[in-house]
Amino acid sequence: DQQVKQNSPSLSVQEGRISILNCDYTNSMFDYFLWYKKYPAEGPTFLISISSIKDKNEDGRFTVFLNKSAKHLSLHIVPSQPGDSAVYFCAAIRGNQFYFGTGTSLTVIP
Amino acid sequence: EADIYQTPRYLVIGTGKKITLECSQTMGHDKMYWYQQDPGMELHLIHYSYGVNSTEKGDLSSESTVSRIRTEHFPLTLESARPSHTSQYLCASSYLTGLNEQFFGPGTRLTVL
Repeated sequence: DQQVKQNSPSLSVQEGRISILNCDYTNSMFDYFLWYKKYPAEGPTFLISISSIKDKNEDGRFTVFLNKSAKHLSLHIVPSQPGDSAVYFCAAIRGNQFYFGTGTSLTVIP
Repeated sequence: EADIYQTPRYLVIGTGKKITLECSQTMGHDKMYWYQQDPGMELHLIHYSYGVNSTEKGDLSSESTVSRIRTEHFPLTLESARPSHTSQYLCASSYLTGLNEQFFGPGTRLTVL
């Protein structure tokens, strides 16, 4: 049973606009959440994370929001740039276990 | 900057061959992982290790085996490759304690004919 879900397989956004990537989870015991970015033929690279005790974390153009009551996580990219085009995975940690979503392919149109 | 390496990056091989996918990291991480990922699908954990001489099976059953004789090295072996093993294999590592992100290698794209 998949505990971390990304229901949108793809998203297209105009350059300069906001990209919002969503992630839902089922286990309220997750300690930590992360977003990874993956280019074709490369491994995922860590982007940003948030502890379960927080509701927002910001790093430059990237902001992650956590809504624990809704068990929902989102990544905002503002402004979006063509180089942001990649697959984005959300992940959750409980203890030593990592759980990954299926990814959302973001295309930023110049 | 993460220093985790995988070789080969691409491999096309015939059914029945024995193959070993290499993974090395120079960060001194105790924990290492192998994931299998098909396009549009989630990463499935197939093996992990807490340190030298420690290996565990992950959530996805796999016909592969792993070994951890040295901290920096975590090879994955398929004794007899089959077309169903065609996939991307990602190696990752992390510190053992604390909530730390995993660092991923570039992956090996395996095709079994």
